Amino acid sequence: AQSVTQPDIHITVSEGASLELRCNYSYGATPYLFWYVQSPGQGLQLLLKYFSGDTLVQGIKGFEAEFKRSQSSFNLRKPSVHWSDAAEYFCAVGPSNNDMRFGAGTRLTVKP
Amino acid sequence: GAGVSQSPRYKVTKRGQDVTLRCDPISSHATLYWYQQALGQGPEFLTYFNYEAQPDKSGLPSDRFSAERPEGSISTLTIQRTEQRDSAMYRCASSLGPAYNEQFFGPGTRLTVL
Repeated sequence: AQSVTQPDIHITVSEGASLELRCNYSYGATPYLFWYVQSPGQGLQLLLKYFSGDTLVQGIKGFEAEFKRSQSSFNLRKPSVHWSDAAEYFCAVGPSNNDMRFGAGTRLTVKP
Repeated sequence: GAGVSQSPRYKVTKRGQDVTLRCDPISSHATLYWYQQALGQGPEFLTYFNYEAQPDKSGLPSDRFSAERPEGSISTLTIQRTEQRDSAMYRCASSLGPAYNEQFFGPGTRLTVL
């Protein structure tokens, strides 16, 4: 069965600093990997997804993620964080959209 | 509609009561999902629909939970004889089709069972 671990419950970064959110997954076959962002009072929004091909995936809002099979990781990065990026971020894995497993989330705080 | 909407946004009920939550998906979307999200956790899959068919309800925690989508558009999630452990955010999402399409999430219904 697939599972996702997000080791960091809460991360604080300064505005303008770089960001990396960690995601490790367990899955027996080639995974489909997703990152979602959840702002207060809003639904989850898809940032990016990996199905196959280039292991460096570009997403919306300047985010990117890199699939590393050898490390079973799919870390989310952004070179320069904006105050509006403060939110909760969820990594998910699955054979498809129909059977995604989400991690517990990482809450991002951005300091001015 | 323009986005996925859910109602009510907040529901407080007493243990033992039945509750029904509603999801109105994006109008062109064939597939609809229900998730349960406990505080401090990620969403957990409950069930999904392709139009009115319900191919997978393996995530429903017990037979007190049921979902319908009788005309392939609006869906309801009903919890009978609610228990305190049912307290959670219930999220609905829709997509153009199953498997590989982006899911668009609604704002959720926060259910509190006293």
